[in-house]
Amino acid sequence: SYELTQPSSVSVSPGQTARITCSGDVLAKKYARWFQQKPGQAPVLVIYKDSERPSGIPERFSGSSSGTTVTLTISGAQVEDEADYYCYSAADNNLVFGGGTKLTVL
Amino acid sequence: EVQLVESGGGLVKPGGSLRLSCAASGFTLSNAWMSWVRQAPGKGLEWVGRIKSKTDGGTTDYAAPVKGRFTISRDDSKNTLYLQMNSLKTEDTAVYYCRWYDTSSAIDYWGQGTLVTVSS
Repeated sequence: SYELTQPSSVSVSPGQTARITCSGDVLAKKYARWFQQKPGQAPVLVIYKDSERPSGIPERFSGSSSGTTVTLTISGAQVEDEADYYCYSAADNNLVFGGGTKLTVL
Repeated sequence: EVQLVESGGGLVKPGGSLRLSCAASGFTLSNAWMSWVRQAPGKGLEWVGRIKSKTDGGTTDYAAPVKGRFTISRDDSKNTLYLQMNSLKTEDTAVYYCRWYDTSSAIDYWGQGTLVTVSS
């Protein structure tokens, strides 16, 4: 079965650039997605197809891909971006998730 | 506006049953690929299962830990998705989310989740 690996935490100061990586063999052949999850709220998709941004998601969110690693970049992170971020991908007829990264902005 | 609202969670004893609902609005459920995903307390996310759209056959697939115990179905007249959970185990304790994958845009939408606690 496939696995996706993320760092457990990333910390930046407001206005800095936050980068969260996600690695896994499945990413060499399947697109990655990222969602943001704040406590008690529904997950919100912030990136799909590795680098596409849904409407309504701020431009400071971007995604990139290289081989078996994808990266979520938040340029000029804001305090309101503090949340858990999960990468996931479709593989073998199901969804595979990373373990999640807690982003702290302070 | 797309909305997914889960309900039906609660406390149930091991071996018991529970049915979760996911009320959808803003799109037609019968045309949708829908999934259930769960997140155990303090743990990562786990795909539970999926039902394809009617036009794609309406078939279901399940993760190994729930196969034979959980059943996904939908009521198109109510635009509602269901997850029937039988023979529940303590390890089924989790927040359960429904998810819609829009095949035309490749964007997915999530509900806010409903908590299921399996405990004696």
